[in-house]
Amino acid sequence: DSGVTQTPKHLITATGQRVTLRCSPRSGDLSVYWYQQSLDQGLQFLIQYYNGEERAKGNILERFSAQQFPDLHSELNLSSLELGDSALYFCASSANVNTEAFFGQGTRLTVV
Amino acid sequence: AQSVTQLGSHVSVSEGALVLLRCNYSSSVPPYLFWYVQYPNQGLQLLLKYTSAATLVKGINGFEAEFKKSETSFHLTKPSAHMSDAAEYFCAVSDQGSSNTGKLIFGQGTTLQVKP
Repeated sequence: DSGVTQTPKHLITATGQRVTLRCSPRSGDLSVYWYQQSLDQGLQFLIQYYNGEERAKGNILERFSAQQFPDLHSELNLSSLELGDSALYFCASSANVNTEAFFGQGTRLTVV
Repeated sequence: AQSVTQLGSHVSVSEGALVLLRCNYSSSVPPYLFWYVQYPNQGLQLLLKYTSAATLVKGINGFEAEFKKSETSFHLTKPSAHMSDAAEYFCAVSDQGSSNTGKLIFGQGTTLQVKP
């Protein structure tokens, strides 16, 4: 158990819908990262928050957004979903930017 | 820009044989390098990391990796494969030292098959 909790584990939704993925980092970790894992793109960095503020952006679509709350949990919002958004979405956390990241179990999103 | 290349998307070894998973990196600054393992339907688990200390890094489950700057490589090895090692392995480089966010850039992954 990495200490990073992601909910839900599985999500099936229709095209055009909006979903929210939730991540609770390890206790005390300030940095939260979101990654997308798909068969064609592999593991891609989406976005990072550090102590409530956006720190880095990767290959994140405009239809996707995220935030980190005062209690340090984070949410990834995916809207206007397309079939191609079906993937495994991972959250990872680290104490700071210079320490290793620990990954959650992921949320498997299926868009039908 | 940093990047990682894993040579071989699938590697098959017999139980008890040497495991060698190859990783080459590109980085304009001294890299931080990592190997993660992903078992089916699970998240990524850190095997080991290189952060500019000893070039030979020992990790969990008997794995180790050697950082070779001249070859820009960070290959993962294990002397004797177990059936339980069957999984997907990812090499990653972090941007500490450049933009310094800690984000990871992953290779495409190598699936390790262990035959009895």
